[in-house]
Amino acid sequence: GENVEQHPSTLSVQEGDSAVIKCTYSDSASNYFPWYKQELGKRPQLIIDIRSNVGEKKDQRIAVTLNKTAKHFSLHITETQPEDSAVYFCAASSDVRDDKIIFGKGTRLHILP
Amino acid sequence: KAGVTQTPRYLIKTRGQQVTLSCSPISGHRSVSWYQQTPGQGLQFLFEYFSETQRNKGNFPGRFSGRQFSNSRSEMNVSTLELGDSALYLCASSLEAVLSSSYNEQFFGPGTRLTVL
Repeated sequence: GENVEQHPSTLSVQEGDSAVIKCTYSDSASNYFPWYKQELGKRPQLIIDIRSNVGEKKDQRIAVTLNKTAKHFSLHITETQPEDSAVYFCAASSDVRDDKIIFGKGTRLHILP
Repeated sequence: KAGVTQTPRYLIKTRGQQVTLSCSPISGHRSVSWYQQTPGQGLQFLFEYFSETQRNKGNFPGRFSGRQFSNSRSEMNVSTLELGDSALYLCASSLEAVLSSSYNEQFFGPGTRLTVL
């Protein structure tokens, strides 16, 4: 079945610097890749997603890139701010085979003052 | 618009018991998905319901079941509880089925924290 690996599990960056979180997936049929942010004690929230027909998508300080050949996708956060501190989950799914959404284990991002 | 609500928020049960959790989606949303979140396994997909039909199911034993009513509210049931079922159970709603071609952002509820003793 589909497997999603997420790295790193913990990431600390200085405020203002960029953060990059990477995920790899195993099922070449996967074509939908959402990213969720979960702040401490709060529910996950979708922050950005990408479908396999595009290679990159941006929304202000957040961008996601997708490399279908290598089967990996990454979340990029630029000019990090204290409120970016959270756990970030990547996920992969396919609407061709089955529709199960498989999540990565999460990355705990710490923004250092 | 009210968000996704889940009841109860906290629940304590003993092994062998059964439990029913409830999720009320955002008004107008027809899809409800359920997830289990634990520190060790992260977020894991349980199942998705759309228009009262189960669309797909994750890799969980048959003790985990669910249903959706005509008003899109959904319930999840876990029978013969085990210690390992202790987790935060999240539901999420979206307008259409999660992987339909239309806009399908999922909105999560606050979760039900289940503790099995």
